[in-house]
Amino acid sequence: QKEVEQNSGPLSVPEGAIASLNCTYSDRGSQSFFWYRQYSGKSPELIMFIYSNGDKEDGRFTAQLNKASQYVSLLIRDSQPSDSATYLCAVNTYNTDKLIFGTGTRLQVFP
Amino acid sequence: DTAVSQTPKYLVTQMGNDKSIKCEQNLGHDTMYWYKQDSKKFLKIMFSYNNKELIINETVPNRFSPKSPDKAHLNLHINSLELGDSAVYFCASSSRNQPQHFGDGTRLSIL
Repeated sequence: QKEVEQNSGPLSVPEGAIASLNCTYSDRGSQSFFWYRQYSGKSPELIMFIYSNGDKEDGRFTAQLNKASQYVSLLIRDSQPSDSATYLCAVNTYNTDKLIFGTGTRLQVFP
Repeated sequence: DTAVSQTPKYLVTQMGNDKSIKCEQNLGHDTMYWYKQDSKKFLKIMFSYNNKELIINETVPNRFSPKSPDKAHLNLHINSLELGDSAVYFCASSSRNQPQHFGDGTRLSIL
């Protein structure tokens, strides 16, 4: 079993819709959870991070964490074509700086 | 500009050569990392240094040797380059338990 799993996609949504990206992880000791966006040929860019169970909102982005289910998700409201990218989920365990990445979900937002 | 900067951006070289990639951050972070992103876009940590001390050393061939002259710099030297070393190498930095910020990447191609 992979340590961090994501559906590779592509996930296609129309402009203005909500895009829902999901991630599961295997290590129950994981403490910090990150979502990075990576455009083709570019570097990963931090979008959101979450440490506690529940929701965390930042503009059009909401991260949701459920540690009991070992599940973290990213919702993008009012999706725009400029949101089309690969979204990487990453987790690390307590008191380490080792980030384990998923393979990413490719999101396509069409006009 | 405050950033994580890597040089060179592109590196094309022959199999068997030795090459180095340099990384510098001016964010005041105390931890720096090297990641490898393969052709399938999977991002995997290779090394991490905290205040010039090696703290993460994943299963990486010993042809790869990181060097940190000070906490703002982390270089990666690769001996006897092989075809399988072709990838994008990302440097990143962070403060402890904080999100990591990535450089623009070095695209290494082995002929």
